[in-house]
Amino acid sequence: QVRLVESGGGVVQPGTSLRLSCEASGFTFAISGMHWVRQAPGKGLEWVAFISYEEGKNSYADSVRGRFDISRDISKNTLYLQMNSLTVEDAAVYYCARDREGGSLDYWGQGTLVTLSA
Amino acid sequence: SYVLTQPPSVSVAPGRTASITCGGENIGIGGVHWYQQKPGQAPVQVIYYTSDRPSGIPERFSGSKSGYTATLTISRVEDGDEADYYCQVWDSVVDHRLFGGGTRLTVL
Repeated sequence: QVRLVESGGGVVQPGTSLRLSCEASGFTFAISGMHWVRQAPGKGLEWVAFISYEEGKNSYADSVRGRFDISRDISKNTLYLQMNSLTVEDAAVYYCARDREGGSLDYWGQGTLVTLSA
Repeated sequence: SYVLTQPPSVSVAPGRTASITCGGENIGIGGVHWYQQKPGQAPVQVIYYTSDRPSGIPERFSGSKSGYTATLTISRVEDGDEADYYCQVWDSVVDHRLFGGGTRLTVL
């Protein structure tokens, strides 16, 4: 069955960087689009970034464009989110999710928590 | 960019029908997708392409759309349906996904 497992969250200081990982299994990762979605404490879902199975087709929310970079390693079935210049507004649980044709997100991981603390 | 508007909360008695709306100018163009999120858990897709149900989702969950408003309907509501529900659309022009603000469903 489809399984997505995030890791890499933790407590970091504003202005620093962090890389999140999402290990995928149970489906053909190489031909699947993937997303990162975040949820600040007590808040709603916010879409962050998407990477297509077609090379070079990435997209980002305005709030993270230029600071975050989504990438993937097909050989490791792993999705990444490199987060730079972190601010307190980036504190959230970060979920990875698989893209379903038509624009929805059909399977989600359990999330990894990013906390910002000075 | 546009906004998807959901009511913050909906309350319903067990066994009754709950309707959660999602409004926005982009609703009329493409499919609308719905997710259920229980406390401390990851979201689960309950409706895609406006009215299709993923495998394993009860038939009590249905979706529809009219004009610029989409609706998630939950029939014969159970205690276990208490959760936050989010609608979502795809802005294909910029290849962004957009979530509504979420609706907390309370089973009385």
